[in-house]
Amino acid sequence: GAVVSQHPSRVICKSGTSVKIECRSLDFQATTMFWYRQFPKQSLMLMATSNEGSKATYEQGVEKDKFLINHASLTLSTLTVTSAHPEDSSFYICSASRPMESVVEQYFGPGTRLTVT
Amino acid sequence: GNSVTQMEGPVTLSEEAFLTINCTYTATGYPSLFWYVQYPGEGLQLLLKATKADDKGSNKGFEATYRKETTSFHLEKGSVQVSDSAVYFCAPGSARQLTFGSGTQLTVLP
Repeated sequence: GAVVSQHPSRVICKSGTSVKIECRSLDFQATTMFWYRQFPKQSLMLMATSNEGSKATYEQGVEKDKFLINHASLTLSTLTVTSAHPEDSSFYICSASRPMESVVEQYFGPGTRLTVT
Repeated sequence: GNSVTQMEGPVTLSEEAFLTINCTYTATGYPSLFWYVQYPGEGLQLLLKATKADDKGSNKGFEATYRKETTSFHLEKGSVQVSDSAVYFCAPGSARQLTFGSGTQLTVLP
């Protein structure tokens, strides 16, 4: 159990367009979902934390108007990169935590590679 | 907030060699400790965890012991395989967050 999926796995978009990435918990209801960003050969940086039905909490330095997070249900969170630019190209990874477990016990999706041309 | 110091890579070993990847941390409160593994082009997989002092997490031949006195959680494996080639991340978790180390690239040669 505790499978998290992401869609798409890869996306290429043109500068100025918006891209939506979905994160789903397939076999459990996620109390909290997280979005991370990873640059090549670097560590994961937490972008935001979201709980179902409430606004996401963004980390310092993350533009909330650029990275829109919607956590519409207990199994789905979406990250929309608005007006994407080449510097937004990165590997985006989501994770989710389960009820009755510590929120730091997270289950990770396979990631989405975003390339902005 | 939390911070992690992880042994820098890359680390290159021959098959069946002994592996140690050092990890020390500072954290708010009493964290849980995790090691994650990332294979090329993929997300993170939980390798092992420990939730209290002196706990030993183990999985797939890997082990790490929660050392509160030295705030360390070093990863070890007695005999690595080519399939262990990946990036390994140490991550303390507390205050509702995981904090990731810089990652250690491991390459195991046949």
